[in-house]
Amino acid sequence: KQEVTQIPAALSVPEGENLVLNCSFTDSAIYNLQWFRQDPGKGLTSLLLIQSSQREQTSGRLNASLDKSSGRSTLYIAASQPGDSATYLCAVKKGGAQKLVFGQGTRLTINP
Amino acid sequence: ETGVTQTPRHLVMGMTNKKSLKCEQHLGHNAMYWYKQSAKKPLELMFVYNFKEQTENNSVPSRFSPECPNSSHLFLHLHTLQPEDSALYLCASSRDRWESNYGYTFGSGTRLTVV
Repeated sequence: KQEVTQIPAALSVPEGENLVLNCSFTDSAIYNLQWFRQDPGKGLTSLLLIQSSQREQTSGRLNASLDKSSGRSTLYIAASQPGDSATYLCAVKKGGAQKLVFGQGTRLTINP
Repeated sequence: ETGVTQTPRHLVMGMTNKKSLKCEQHLGHNAMYWYKQSAKKPLELMFVYNFKEQTENNSVPSRFSPECPNSSHLFLHLHTLQPEDSALYLCASSRDRWESNYGYTFGSGTRLTVV
């Protein structure tokens, strides 16, 4: 059974810092991994999608990496801003059942 | 807007009521999903529809009844719910459930409170 873990559960940093969010998964047989952002009480906004054959994807200040063999992904946020405050979720699309399995998220707070 | 629209945004219902949640996507996707998000728990997949056919029911109680009349619309009919069913219900779509090159697109969710 695929399990996805995100560490830390919560993170608070001053504005301007670079930071890394971690995601690990137990079964390396995945098709892709997707990072989402969720603002309080709102839906999910897709940030980056990494295919299993890729090592990283970049969008603006965001960079996501994937190491399938070790079951890890990181989301790097450069020059953090208060508007980056949200919960960040990673999800893997596993083979076989073709399900999207989510971690519990990291709640990020950027302090002005 | 993501292209996936959910209505209503908020819903308060009594345990004896019958209500429906609606999801509509204009992305040309063929797979649609219902997820439940409860406090302090990961998102839970409830139902999957692919080309209007239900392909997965993740052991969801029968008081939740999905309907997919076409690839653009998905409903979740609710009846005799329990307070523990209070949660954020999220709809998502993808090109089709087997396609891997593109990700999922989520709606803004319906915040359901059962009283």
